[in-house]
Amino acid sequence: DVKVTQSSRYLVKRTGEKVFLECVQDMDHENMFWYRQDPGLGLRLIYFSYDVKMKEKGDIPEGYSVSREKKERFSLILESASTNQTSMYLCASREISGELFFGEGSRLTVL
Amino acid sequence: RKEVEQDPGPFNVPEGATVAFNCTYSNSASQSFFWYRQDCRKEPKLLMSVYSSGNEDGRFTAQLNRASQYISLLIRDSKLSDSATYLCVVKRERSSASKIIFGSGTRLSIRP
Repeated sequence: DVKVTQSSRYLVKRTGEKVFLECVQDMDHENMFWYRQDPGLGLRLIYFSYDVKMKEKGDIPEGYSVSREKKERFSLILESASTNQTSMYLCASREISGELFFGEGSRLTVL
Repeated sequence: RKEVEQDPGPFNVPEGATVAFNCTYSNSASQSFFWYRQDCRKEPKLLMSVYSSGNEDGRFTAQLNRASQYISLLIRDSKLSDSATYLCVVKRERSSASKIIFGSGTRLSIRP
């Protein structure tokens, strides 16, 4: 079975803190994605990566950055967390043109 | 206007009923279509792909109307376990990687 693992299920941070969300997949997938999910807005794409060290902005990249140094790992970074970044963050991976597999999500609260 | 639009619901139907959801998409360049299911506090999981000719998987039937740019999902003989949020997903190819867009989901609640 494909496994996408997100490092933290629940985080609470303060405004201005730097936040790292880690995601690891074990199926050698080329593409990895970071989404956030908010009520009424659905899943919105923050960033995606189609290969190691390659990244592309999604629909809402402002306030976020990403890192993909190894194929299996895709990190989302909030340089200076703000309250409007309180959300559920979902990582996903897939082979090229394949099904998306999601991690269980990381619920971030910024106080 | 959102690129993928769904009725948010909630749809509250009795067990055994037939229920249908629609989803509309605005970009005619969209190429692939899917329904994902998301249980409460869980991650989305693929329910089924949607093919041009329509396709069925047990009690679930998916249809695509390219001319009108909508996708539908029909659930027959609904079960309590069908209670979930159903996400419409549209994919279109780009030079680097596909763009995958999610609708905001339709919430379904099946009552005994």
